[in-house]
Amino acid sequence: DTAVSQTPKYLVTQMGNDKSIKCEQNLGHDTMYWYKQDSKKFLKIMFSYNNKELIINETVPNRFSPKSPDKAHLNLHINSLELGDSAVYFCASSRQSGGYEQYFGPGTRLTVT
Amino acid sequence: QKEVEQNSGPLSVPEGAIASLNCTYSDRGSQSFFWYRQYSGKSPELIMFIYSNGDKEDGRFTAQLNKASQYVSLLIRDSQPSDSATYLCAQRANSKLTFGKGITLSVRP
Repeated sequence: DTAVSQTPKYLVTQMGNDKSIKCEQNLGHDTMYWYKQDSKKFLKIMFSYNNKELIINETVPNRFSPKSPDKAHLNLHINSLELGDSAVYFCASSRQSGGYEQYFGPGTRLTVT
Repeated sequence: QKEVEQNSGPLSVPEGAIASLNCTYSDRGSQSFFWYRQYSGKSPELIMFIYSNGDKEDGRFTAQLNKASQYVSLLIRDSQPSDSATYLCAQRANSKLTFGKGITLSVRP
């Protein structure tokens, strides 16, 4: 009964490949987020969806494309992976949009070689 | 750029002491503030949030907010080795959370 889950937990891939990360929440929340945490542990928002609608799109390369098939799921597809994409990607959710209390998934550690 | 600064740290305190973690912010429009704890290799975990000036207590944790001086702090009383982690301060403004870089706390047994 994990509240926010992500798959896979680890992802090792080569430059130029395309990969996806999936996220699901069973909290009944309306809003979901993708964050990137780099090697210096700095946590930065990438995208936010409220009830399947994109509401926040930070300055992220367009190689990154989020998709929300329903309000409980938010996926992240990354094209043409680069070395600098190596990081931990966290999914989070909150009851409503607006940056309220957010609950994080376990993270996906992406390593691009 | 609306930033959240956590410039002190790493912080080391003996078991049983009070740990004081500080955070300053630049956006006067920030509406609320959050403290997250992140153990090494784990995800951030929400421990407290505060919207109003003053203190908010929850068990051994007290969050303090001073909007005039633009700082928010987290006090951990009776620190335990299990409190050793990185603590992230976040502000809510413009419908999103902006995080500081975190302060690493080590509690010595």
